[in-house]
Amino acid sequence: GAGVSQTPSNKVTEKGKYVELRCDPISGHTALYWYRQSLGQGPEFLIYFQGTGAADDSGLPNDRFFAVRPEGSVSTLKIQRTERGDSAVYLCASSEGPASGNTIYFGEGSWLTVV
Amino acid sequence: TQLLEQSPQFLSIQEGENLTVYCNSSSVFSSLQWYRQEPGEGPVLLVTVVTGGEVKKLKRLTFQFGDARKDSSLHITAAQPGDTGLYLCAGDRGSGNTPLVFGKGTRLSVIA
Repeated sequence: GAGVSQTPSNKVTEKGKYVELRCDPISGHTALYWYRQSLGQGPEFLIYFQGTGAADDSGLPNDRFFAVRPEGSVSTLKIQRTERGDSAVYLCASSEGPASGNTIYFGEGSWLTVV
Repeated sequence: TQLLEQSPQFLSIQEGENLTVYCNSSSVFSSLQWYRQEPGEGPVLLVTVVTGGEVKKLKRLTFQFGDARKDSSLHITAAQPGDTGLYLCAGDRGSGNTPLVFGKGTRLSVIA
C-alpha cells in the first residue's frame, strides 16, 4: 500500500499475555518509529530504527517491551506479560531518513486493550 | 515533565469563529511541526516551521514560530466543522537521530 500499514487495528488481550504488533512502513523509508498514545495524551516516543538497528530505544518503558526490524522494512513491537496500563494506541511512523528535515508519516495505529 | 505544553487542552467553538492554540516550551527546537489527528487515525502533518519568527499560512490556518524557537501558535480563521480534531505540536531537537517530541494536544470541536 501507499501508506504505513499496521496490524492488527484492534487487539484485546488478557493481563499477562504476550502481544505482537506489526508495522509495514512506506516502501523505501529507512527510518521507522514506534509511539504510544494513551487517551487524552499526545504520542509518546518508544523506539526509533534507522535501517535494521535501533538508533534510540530510550522510550521503551521497561524490559517487557521489545521491538525488531530484522530486514530494515517491517517492524514488530513485542509486549510480554501485558498489564492493564499497557492499554493504548500504538502508532508506527516512517520517514525517508532521520526525523530532522524529513516528513514523518503515521499509520492508523493498533488499539491495544488489556483486560 | 512535559517538554511541550499545549493550551488550551479543549476548545469548543461555533462555526465561523476564530481561534488560536498555543505550543510552549522552555527548550529551543530546530523546528516545530503541527499535526492534526482525527479519531481512529494517525496524526497527519500540517506544517513545519523552521526559522524563528516564521509565519506560514495554509488556507485558513496561520502558523507562527516564536523568535526564540521555543514556542508556536496556530490561528484558525472562520472555523468550520471540518476543522474538528486533535491538534498536536511536535518539536525537533535537531540532533539528527533525535525523535520528535509531542505535546498533549488541543482537542478542537467546531459546532455548526
